Amino acid sequence: DTGVSQNPRHKITKRGQNVTFRCDPISEHNRLYWYRQTLGQGPEFLTYFQNEAQLEKSRLLSDRFSAERPKGSFSTLEIQRTEQGDSAMYLCASSPLAGRGHEQFFGPGTRLTVL
Amino acid sequence: KNQVEQSPQSLIILEGKNCTLQCNYTVSPFSNLRWYKQDTGRGPVSLTIMTFSENTKSNGRYTATLDADTKQSSLHITASQLSDSASYICVGSTLGRLYFGRGTQLTVWP
Repeated sequence: DTGVSQNPRHKITKRGQNVTFRCDPISEHNRLYWYRQTLGQGPEFLTYFQNEAQLEKSRLLSDRFSAERPKGSFSTLEIQRTEQGDSAMYLCASSPLAGRGHEQFFGPGTRLTVL
Repeated sequence: KNQVEQSPQSLIILEGKNCTLQCNYTVSPFSNLRWYKQDTGRGPVSLTIMTFSENTKSNGRYTATLDADTKQSSLHITASQLSDSASYICVGSTLGRLYFGRGTQLTVWP
């Protein structure tokens, strides 16, 4: 399978714990995006990378959130001191630098539940 | 403010019937308008991408239209199938950023 993959698919944690998610984009895709989606809503932009550089961060990305893409390939999203409001689906997408409309290809998501 | 609004919020149709989903967008400067299909618990999958010069775009039984003057788009599904049950999300694109609507939840009954 050469699509975007995310791990884990599901994560249940207790409030206050730290969690880390991983995204493996389509190989050769320069851009990698993180989104958060809550029930009944569309995805909301969190941050994106071009290669290893984090170029933009949303105001939704509080100080408890950090994302990395150390070698310009896979990316991790860490949430520290989780809160119940962090419960959501976290989606990763990748796109080529050039190409029609910079079409973004999404992974299956990681569903986080904070108890 | 960049935003995308969709209607209806939910829709139930019988298998084999057609349906049309609506989208109003306020995205500036406008790059393109996209429709995604999202199955429950999965990531969105692209159906169509249209620039302002394209009025219509088809992908199998899915046909999207775009009116750049009124900033409206529609997604028409022909001869619906049970597998069409999903959320259909309209997305406005500007300067590389995507703005998602809340989606229309479509349920196809046998």
